Amino acid sequence: NAGVTQTPKFRVLKTGQSMTLLCAQDMNHEYMYWYRQDPGMGLRLIHYSVGEGTTAKGEVPDGYNVSRLKKQNFLLGLESAAPSQTSVYFCASSQTPGQGFTDTQYFGPGTRLTVL
Amino acid sequence: GENVEQHPSTLSVQEGDSAVIKCTYSDSASNYFPWYKQELGKRPQLIIDIRSNVGEKKDQRIAVTLNKTAKHFSLHITETQPEDSAVYFCAASRPAYSGAGSYQLTFGKGTKLSVIP
Repeated sequence: NAGVTQTPKFRVLKTGQSMTLLCAQDMNHEYMYWYRQDPGMGLRLIHYSVGEGTTAKGEVPDGYNVSRLKKQNFLLGLESAAPSQTSVYFCASSQTPGQGFTDTQYFGPGTRLTVL
Repeated sequence: GENVEQHPSTLSVQEGDSAVIKCTYSDSASNYFPWYKQELGKRPQLIIDIRSNVGEKKDQRIAVTLNKTAKHFSLHITETQPEDSAVYFCAASRPAYSGAGSYQLTFGKGTKLSVIP
């Protein structure tokens, strides 16, 4: 049981290039999330998904797109990378909420992205 | 939307002393409050959480308290050890299925805890 995995671990892009970050989970979780972490800013939600085929915007969605074609995978795309997107990206997943409470989120190991 | 403030941003304590980190939140509908620990270069990991139907929760040396009236919650670490050194994040979430903003965690900006041997 690998939990939440992310690929790649590191990536360097030039301004204007595109790339896709892959998140995979083997816990059969319904909900998946993409965050970015910048120094002194905590974790900020980019996009999230409450099930296969659904996505929604979070706090900082501009410049990113996502897709959830399979329940176990959540893809984050950067169509035209900018230096402001230099960050550490974390994916997370959680189980179906119970008793009206949001459930625990489990994080992947992160992807460190640098845009030059 | 929700806003979570976390204090202090840095905290140094002697080994064996206690550490307290405080968070306030703005959305009175929030009902789930997890705390995550993040070691350098690692992923955030849940260490304890509290739901709004309880006021306090303990797990060995860590405890969390919640004051819904004042909209603040705190993390308490007793008998600190060098391995407690990390960045700690608090977060808050609205009830599941409550519409916009549900399922989402809003994080504080983190507290860097240093335990001095």
